[in-house]
Amino acid sequence: DAKTTQPNSMESNEEEPVHLPCNHSTISGTDYIHWYRQLPSQGPEYVIHGLTSNVNNRMASLAIAEDRKSSTLILHRATLRDAAVYYCILRLYNAGKSTFGDGTTLTVKP
Amino acid sequence: DTGVSQDPRHKITKRGQNVTFRCDPISEHNRLYWYRQTLGQGPEFLTYFQNEAQLEKSRLLSDRFSAERPKGSFSTLEIQRTEQGDSAMYLCASNSPAGFSGIQSTGELFFGEGSRLTVL
Repeated sequence: DAKTTQPNSMESNEEEPVHLPCNHSTISGTDYIHWYRQLPSQGPEYVIHGLTSNVNNRMASLAIAEDRKSSTLILHRATLRDAAVYYCILRLYNAGKSTFGDGTTLTVKP
Repeated sequence: DTGVSQDPRHKITKRGQNVTFRCDPISEHNRLYWYRQTLGQGPEFLTYFQNEAQLEKSRLLSDRFSAERPKGSFSTLEIQRTEQGDSAMYLCASNSPAGFSGIQSTGELFFGEGSRLTVL
């Protein structure tokens, strides 16, 4: 599996935008970039995914570099409820197995 | 609630005992996954099923671990002769592959809240 690299931790102030980076330099042409987040004592929750173009949904935006070797999850206005571990993973179309790294722990300060 | 359901949520057992976890996926999903997560780490893939067929198993899944999905609906994960190193959160997820009949799928995984195992 292609690997992703994320910073261990990041901090943000409440109501400010947050940019969570992910490097995936060995990404293949058929890998989709998925983001999940995990709140304490809960299972991971899907956030967003994309292939080549930037994507927006109600939770976040995903900006994908032109060479696809990196991506950034953007939370437009962080709230205290956004404090979680964020995972960036690569999934082949219709893949079974997915490999998670250790993610980025986001702390949101009031 | 129509999400992925796992039972029990917490299990404390003594070393050497057997434990079984159950996962009920979202009803229209034909794929079911098991992951294990230890404190401070991301989820590690264990195995997955498409309908009742177990399509892939991780090398992490030792002989003491067995997973079944007999009717293609719920699944069980059994750990025999538990060891302290088995203490972890066991996560179940489900989805359907894109193109599966009648299902709009983007390949996202839907996780349950997990079953936390503590082996004393």
